[in-house]
This record gives sequence, C-alpha cells and structure tokens, in this order.
Amino acid sequence: SQQGEEDPQALSIQEGENATMNCSYKTSINNLQWYRQNSGRGLVHLILIRSNEREKHSGRLRVTLDTSKKSSSLLITASRAADTASYFCATALSNDYKLSFGAGTTVTVRA
Amino acid sequence: NAGVTQTPKFQVLKTGQSMTLQCAQDMNHNSMYWYRQDPGMGLRLIYYSASEGTTDKGEVPNGYNVSRLNKREFSLRLESAAPSQTSVYFCASSPLTGLGYGYTFGSGTRLTVV
Repeated sequence: SQQGEEDPQALSIQEGENATMNCSYKTSINNLQWYRQNSGRGLVHLILIRSNEREKHSGRLRVTLDTSKKSSSLLITASRAADTASYFCATALSNDYKLSFGAGTTVTVRA
Repeated sequence: NAGVTQTPKFQVLKTGQSMTLQCAQDMNHNSMYWYRQDPGMGLRLIYYSASEGTTDKGEVPNGYNVSRLNKREFSLRLESAAPSQTSVYFCASSPLTGLGYGYTFGSGTRLTVV
C-alpha cells in the first residue's frame, strides 16, 4: 500500500509562476524524498529532507516537512517549460529503509 | 558515467512466456531495487537487494524472481508472464543499506504481455 499521497493529482501553471504540491503520509518516517519524472523517462532524485529538518532548499526548489501533520510540500519557484513533469514524494519509514512512493502530481508549465 | 542501465527498453511477450530484465549500475552502490509503475499507482517495490548476495521480497513479489549476480548486476525474471504484469519496470540503486540516500533510477523497461 502507498505510504504517501500527493495533492493535487495534476497542476497547470503559466511559465514564471510558482508551483506547489503536497504530500501526506501515514506513519512515522526517517526521511522524505522528492523525485521528478519526465515523460517516458526514469525518476530523478531532487531533494531529501530528514525527519528532524523543517525546510530545505535546492536551487528553485523548496521543501518543507511538518511531522506533526505528517505532510510535506514541494515549491518550484519561477517555473519553466522544462519543469513539466510528474513529481513523486517517497518516504522511508523509521524502521525500514526502503522507499515507498506516492502516485505523483503531474505538472504542466504553459509557455 | 552511465549510472543505471536497463535492458531491454521495450518488450512484448505472449502469456506464459518467460524473460529476464537486466539491470547494471556502475556507481559501486551496494543496494539495488526493482519497482513496477502502473498508471495512477505510483511505484511499487517488487524485490530488493540490500547488498551483494542478499535479496528480499518487496510489496508485490508474486510472479517474479531476482538474482543479484554481483555487485553491479541485479536481474528480474518473469517465469510465466501474465497480462497483469504489463507495466513499466524500473531498476534503482543506492549507496548503502541505510537511511538518507536518494536512489538512482534506470530509464525503465516497458513490458506488454498479450
């Protein structure tokens, strides 16, 4: 069963706008990771945030983690056409190291 | 640096046929994984190998077998393919059997069973 669920399922924005997507999970985690998947390609690791961290940045990406609400958000600032992809959150449970993936958010950036 | 290489990229099988999906990584990673991706369901773990010489079942292992041939290679075998195994299969690797490492994924094998 999936540990994480992304919201929304799909998102369409104009180039230059910010894109925000959320991930909720069910049980305690050690870390949460975000991945990007371009159409027909494999997943690419974007960022990892540990359970004792609240926010991390990487370039135009900002990830927050709220363990009390069991949720995380991924913000992509100043979006570009190349950001068009599916984004997945993945969680590693506190007692297990294998990643469990959500169903993903499909982001379309319009020129 | 090729990362994780999967072969073949596409395959069509008839029900009951067998095949092996190959995966190799050149990053000296210890752990390797096989996932399947179906529409609307994200990725589900089939089998994993924490280190050379060990393999364990994941969430959906039925109908599959694996072999960790050496540190670089981790293959997935379908002994008798069924239409329910139509999916995109991804191999991934990570540095250690531990927490806090991102996975590196291959580009996938798109399998259709008719």
